[in-house]
Amino acid sequence: EPEVTQTPSHQVTQMGQEVILRCVPISNHLYFYWYRQILGQKVEFLVSFYNNEISEKSEIFDDQFSVERPDGSNFTLKIRSTKLEDSAMYFCASRAGTGASNEQFFGPGTRLTVL
Amino acid sequence: DAKTTQPPSMDCAEGRAANLPCNHSTISGNEYVYWYRQIHSQGPQYIIHGLKNNETNEMASLIITEDRKSSTLILPHATLRDTAVYYCIVRGPFGYNQGGKLIFGQGTELSVKP
Repeated sequence: EPEVTQTPSHQVTQMGQEVILRCVPISNHLYFYWYRQILGQKVEFLVSFYNNEISEKSEIFDDQFSVERPDGSNFTLKIRSTKLEDSAMYFCASRAGTGASNEQFFGPGTRLTVL
Repeated sequence: DAKTTQPPSMDCAEGRAANLPCNHSTISGNEYVYWYRQIHSQGPQYIIHGLKNNETNEMASLIITEDRKSSTLILPHATLRDTAVYYCIVRGPFGYNQGGKLIFGQGTELSVKP
């Protein structure tokens, strides 16, 4: 069964460093998402991406964040200068296309720890 | 998207049916009810969705009241592996170039006990 994959599973970084989280969405899916979940809190929407551009972003997704689909398969989230409060699980998701029946498929997540 | 209300936690005996309620009294006519679950910090997993009619798939059944103001997710024979946080999410149909974000609440923490 096709699935969303994410690498690395765990990333440890120093405050102020740049990190890139990588995702491979399900092939033929058109819509891509990043969510995050701080330990013990809700899953929060960060950004959605369609047709090589951001279609929606939350207030969390400020200038320190960017997303890119550098080739036909990868979807990346970059945090330019990490802060302690960026420590969280980051989930990538993808969905096929329009229509309410197109549910989102989530990856296993990357645990980001900022020291 | 309409707001949902779920009990924070529930217990269920292994092998019994787990019935998870959700209130969505402000749901509008074109909004769907989605259920996802999250097993211990893994990525959320889609379970089922519906608009008006009851729905069933290999994982669960979804019962939506006639006035659509509430719904119940039914896991017919709960196993220990069904222990998870279950999220009820209401949203409109995805349209062209719409973001399609999912707004997660706190969900219901279901504990299936032997």
